[in-house]
Amino acid sequence: GAVVSQHPSWVICKSGTSVKIECRSLDFQATTMFWYRQFPKQSLMLMATSNEGSKATYEQGVEKDKFLINHASLTLSTLTVTSAHPEDSSFYICSADPGTGTEAFFGQGTRLTVV
Amino acid sequence: AQTVTQSQPEMSVQEAETVTLSCTYDTSESDYYLFWYKQPPSRQMILVIRQEAYKQQNATENRFSVNFQKAAKSFSLKISDSQLGDAAMYFCAYSLGSGGGADGLTFGKGTHLIIQP
Repeated sequence: GAVVSQHPSWVICKSGTSVKIECRSLDFQATTMFWYRQFPKQSLMLMATSNEGSKATYEQGVEKDKFLINHASLTLSTLTVTSAHPEDSSFYICSADPGTGTEAFFGQGTRLTVV
Repeated sequence: AQTVTQSQPEMSVQEAETVTLSCTYDTSESDYYLFWYKQPPSRQMILVIRQEAYKQQNATENRFSVNFQKAAKSFSLKISDSQLGDAAMYFCAYSLGSGGGADGLTFGKGTHLIIQP
C-alpha cells in the first residue's frame, strides 16, 4: 500500500517554543491532507484539512494561529505548534488522500510532549 | 453534523472464537463511506474494511466482515477465528469521500478488543 511518512515520531519541547511536524506522501501525490489529534485513551479528532496551495480549513475550536498548517506541495504538509503549552501534549496524526477513489493513508503519528 | 457511536468500550473474546463490534452513525446524506480501523499499541492506523453506502452487499476481507444496515444506520464488524494479533483498539469511522472527502473522517470513541488465549 501507499506510504505516508510522519516526522518526527516523538518530540519533547519546552513550554513557549514552537515545533514543526512533517507529513510526506512517499509514493503518491496527495490532493488533500488531514491532521488529527488523539489524546490518551481517546479517539481521533480532526483538526484541519489542507489542500495543496491553499489555506487550511480548521475545525471549530482549533486555533489557527496556534496550529499553523502549510501544504506547499502535493507530497508535503507541515503542522507547526506555536508557543506550545503542556495542554498541547498529544498524539498528532496526519493522513493523505490520493484522490483516486482509494482510502486515505495514515502517517505513523507524532507524540508531542511539552514540558 | 455526522456522529459515530461505538457503545462497547471494551470487548473480550477467546482465541479462535467470533466477535462482533457495534457501530451506529447519524447522517442526513445518502452517499457516504464507512470504515473500520485498527489501532494496535504502535498507534499506526490500519484500515480493516471499507463500505460504500450505495453498495448493498456487505464488504468482506478474509476473516473480517461487516453487517451494514443502511436504514438502521448500523455498521457492525464481525471478526471470525479471532487471533492474538487482532488485539487492538478498533475505530468505526464515517466520511463523505473514499479518502476522507472534503471533511475528513469522523471517528467513534473506539472499542478495545482483548483476545484471550
